[in-house]
Amino acid sequence: EVQLVESGGGLVRPGGSLRLSCAGSGFTFMKYAMSWIRQAPGKGLEWVSGITGSGADTYYADSVEGRFTISRDNSKNTLYLQMNSLRAEDTALYFCAKDSSSTMAVVFDYWGQGSLVTVSS
Amino acid sequence: DIQMTQSPSTLSASVGDRVTITCRASQSVSTWLAWYQQKPGKAPKLLIYKASTLQSGVPSRFSGSGSATEFTLTISSLQPDDFATYYCQEYQSYPWPFGQGTKVEIK
Repeated sequence: EVQLVESGGGLVRPGGSLRLSCAGSGFTFMKYAMSWIRQAPGKGLEWVSGITGSGADTYYADSVEGRFTISRDNSKNTLYLQMNSLRAEDTALYFCAKDSSSTMAVVFDYWGQGSLVTVSS
Repeated sequence: DIQMTQSPSTLSASVGDRVTITCRASQSVSTWLAWYQQKPGKAPKLLIYKASTLQSGVPSRFSGSGSATEFTLTISSLQPDDFATYYCQEYQSYPWPFGQGTKVEIK
C-alpha cells in the first residue's frame, strides 16, 4: 500500500524558515517524481514544486522561486521542502504527492494527508 | 500561463442525479487534463487523467470527456459518497494549474 506521510509543519514568524519532510513507502521511491502542492485555508490547490525521480531536475512555482528548495534522499525514501523567507501568504496545508512517472508527468496518483504551515507574528 | 476555469463553482444535486462539471482552459492543452475529488479534511484523489482515462479503482459512474480547451466531468448517478469538491488540472504546460474547484452539495 502506497503511503506518504508529511511532517515538519508548524507556526513560524514572517521571514522565518521551516523544512517539511515526506516519507514514502509501498512503492519504489526513486522511480517516481514527487511534488509539493499547497492549499490555503478555504482555497483551492496550488502546485508549488516538483522533482524528478533521480533528483536531477527541480521545478518551482513563481510564487516560491528563490525562497523554497525541493530535494529528495532516495536512500531514505524521503522528500523535503526547505522553506525560507516565509510570508503570510505561504500559510497553507502542504501536501506531498507522488507523480505517475519518473519525470514530471504532473499527474498525482497518491497524496499525503498534508502538513499545516502557519506564518504569523 | 494557462488559466483553468471551472463552472459552476457550486452545484446542488440529489442522490441519483446526473451531474456535469465543466472545465475550460485559456488555451489548448490537448487532452493533458486530470480531475481530482477532495472531501473536507482529506487529500485530493485522482479520478481521471488524459481527459477521459479512469484511474484504477474509480467507479465507472465517473467519466471525463473533451479536448483542447473544453472538458467535462460527468457523474452518471450521484451517490452519497460523491458529495465533495472537484478540481481539474492541466498538465501540458508549467505551472500546471488547477481550476478553482466545483463543490457538489446535497440539494
